[in-house]
Amino acid sequence: DAMVIQNPRYQVTQFGKPVTLSCSQTLNHNVMYWYQQKSSQAPKLLFHYYDKDFNNEADTPDNFQSRRPNTSFCFLDIRSPGLGDAAMYLCATSFTGENTEAFFGQGTRLTVV
Amino acid sequence: GENVEQHPSTLSVQEGDSAVIKCTYSDSASNYFPWYKQELGKRPQLIIDIRSNVGEKKDQRIAVTLNKTAKHFSLHITETQPEDSAVYFCAASKGGGFKTIFGAGTRLFVKA
Repeated sequence: DAMVIQNPRYQVTQFGKPVTLSCSQTLNHNVMYWYQQKSSQAPKLLFHYYDKDFNNEADTPDNFQSRRPNTSFCFLDIRSPGLGDAAMYLCATSFTGENTEAFFGQGTRLTVV
Repeated sequence: GENVEQHPSTLSVQEGDSAVIKCTYSDSASNYFPWYKQELGKRPQLIIDIRSNVGEKKDQRIAVTLNKTAKHFSLHITETQPEDSAVYFCAASKGGGFKTIFGAGTRLFVKA
């Protein structure tokens, strides 16, 4: 009954080689978030989409981009991964309005070699 | 922007004892405060949440309190069990569509 699905679960990429992580949802939530979580740290918000409106965090590096072609899918593109970008990337979704619980996907663990 | 501080970073308790985790937030406009539990290698999962029109909420062994004036909120786990061992994150949000900002997390160890 997975509601927020991230693919792949594990991704190994080469230093500097573009990589794309994907997230899909069956909840019809209009907000989708991407978080970066490094070991023993809190999830750090990179950006989020409110419907089609893209909201970037001020400290998110330009190396990170996102696309949301439709309600169900959202992609995280890392243009030139560095060793410091190795982390767990979590996608989350939520509704607007009163019920604002964020539902997380299982995450994609990115390794940069 | 919003800043959420969480204490302690590590908490070790004996099975059956209570555990308390405290958070403060900076943005007085925040009105939704979820708590997430994250087990090793797994996704964060919501365990309880509280909204700014409520001072306290309880769900079995878990309770949350909110002091909006002081911008404090706390998680209380009673009768702790080894399976409660995990990292707990508090978070704050201004509501749906707005970003959820997480505290740094508390690693809870429950010793059998």
